[in-house]
Amino acid sequence: QSALTQPASVSGSPGQSITISCTGTSSDISDYNFVSWYQHHPGTAPKLMIYEVSNRPSGVPDRFSGSKSGNTASLTISGLQAEDTADYYCSSYTSSNTPYVFGTGTKVTVL
Amino acid sequence: QVQLVESGGGVVQPGRSLRLSCTATGFSFSSYGMHWVRQAPGKGLEWVALISYDGNNKYYVDSAKGRFTISRDNSKNTLYLQMKSLRAEDTAVYYCAKDLRGIVVVGALETWGQGTLVTVSS
Repeated sequence: QSALTQPASVSGSPGQSITISCTGTSSDISDYNFVSWYQHHPGTAPKLMIYEVSNRPSGVPDRFSGSKSGNTASLTISGLQAEDTADYYCSSYTSSNTPYVFGTGTKVTVL
Repeated sequence: QVQLVESGGGVVQPGRSLRLSCTATGFSFSSYGMHWVRQAPGKGLEWVALISYDGNNKYYVDSAKGRFTISRDNSKNTLYLQMKSLRAEDTAVYYCAKDLRGIVVVGALETWGQGTLVTVSS
């Protein structure tokens, strides 16, 4: 099972909105609603931001939203803030011989 | 509060073994599926292994099959990852993580430890 495909980097100015894509196959994203998104500041523990495609855990700002269309999931960050600068990873359940797979990761920079 | 603390990392020679531990506090450990995830230097996150709440079901990434064994001791609130025949490419920070849901695993990793570094080098 190959990693899900994400853009290497995305940037935006404070207050703007950005969207990170996560492209999979018919074995993962398109067939299952077990897509999650994580924020990772290097040197710290990753943080769950979105689960089951579009649900936010308690404490995650509603500036973060998730969606899915076909074999592509998306994370949108609205009203960008400096603290949103981090690496972001998607993950999905997959029906391949490895049940879970992460995306390649996207470095988000708030200019 | 919910907390996971990994231990057991270090420097190990290629071909040798190492056992990682993850001690859980602040939640009903025996009711949740648990995962191991790793991050090699300069690389992204890689899912490694999953064990069901009762230890009866275990799953691995292809590169770990036959070399790594995930296990748990619910009486000690501890998760393990036994790694053997280690390779240079196993060098990474290893994180344990708690699944969001209880008995039914959904692959949403709600709580993570701080990670433990494993370096495989001669």
